[in-house]
Amino acid sequence: DQQVKQNSPSLSVQEGRISILNCDYTNSMFDYFLWYKKYPAEGPTFLISISSIKDKNEDGRFTVFLNKSAKHLSLHIVPSQPGDSAVYFCAAISYNNNDMRFGAGTRLTVKP
Amino acid sequence: EAQVTQNPRYLITVTGKKLTVTCSQNMNHEYMSWYRQDPGLGLRQIYYSMNVEVTDKGDVPEGYKVSRKEKRNFPLILESPSPNQTSLYFCASRRTSGIQETQYFGPGTRLLVL
Repeated sequence: DQQVKQNSPSLSVQEGRISILNCDYTNSMFDYFLWYKKYPAEGPTFLISISSIKDKNEDGRFTVFLNKSAKHLSLHIVPSQPGDSAVYFCAAISYNNNDMRFGAGTRLTVKP
Repeated sequence: EAQVTQNPRYLITVTGKKLTVTCSQNMNHEYMSWYRQDPGLGLRQIYYSMNVEVTDKGDVPEGYKVSRKEKRNFPLILESPSPNQTSLYFCASRRTSGIQETQYFGPGTRLLVL
């Protein structure tokens, strides 16, 4: 039962362009959504988050958009840089049962 | 420096030989958990702990045990490892209150069970 889905296993983008990573979820009880970035041989690191009561959160080059009616969130990276090449995980948490669910991840490659 | 540490980082073992992967955090977090990462499946939660002496099953607990005798430590125990437990394991910790639900991950333990 995968409650959080990232349907694109990989994405390739040219340096300087926008990267858009997508995530869908099925559980309307999720309260908070997070994006993690993972480099090889390292643990995931927190990137940006958004509360379910908001529809946008911005931090520098990273913006997360939440569309609750569509149960969809996306991460925009503008401009993309080669150092952004990593696997990105979408995660969702429900405060009611402290349940945190992760998507399968999307491997982003930013080409110079 | 706030961190989650795991040991060992790499482990090769044989079927049936008990092993323990240690996890420790220095942030006084109440919540700790273990995940395994497998291709195409992302991070799946094995066990979690809300506080000392409080543990519960995650999505894939079969074949694993945990204990939480101290707040900072949360070891993962494989009593009789099998090849299907070959995976990349991550320990994580976070607070259980507050708006910013940042979860910190350890560097990972790559386990191969022959």
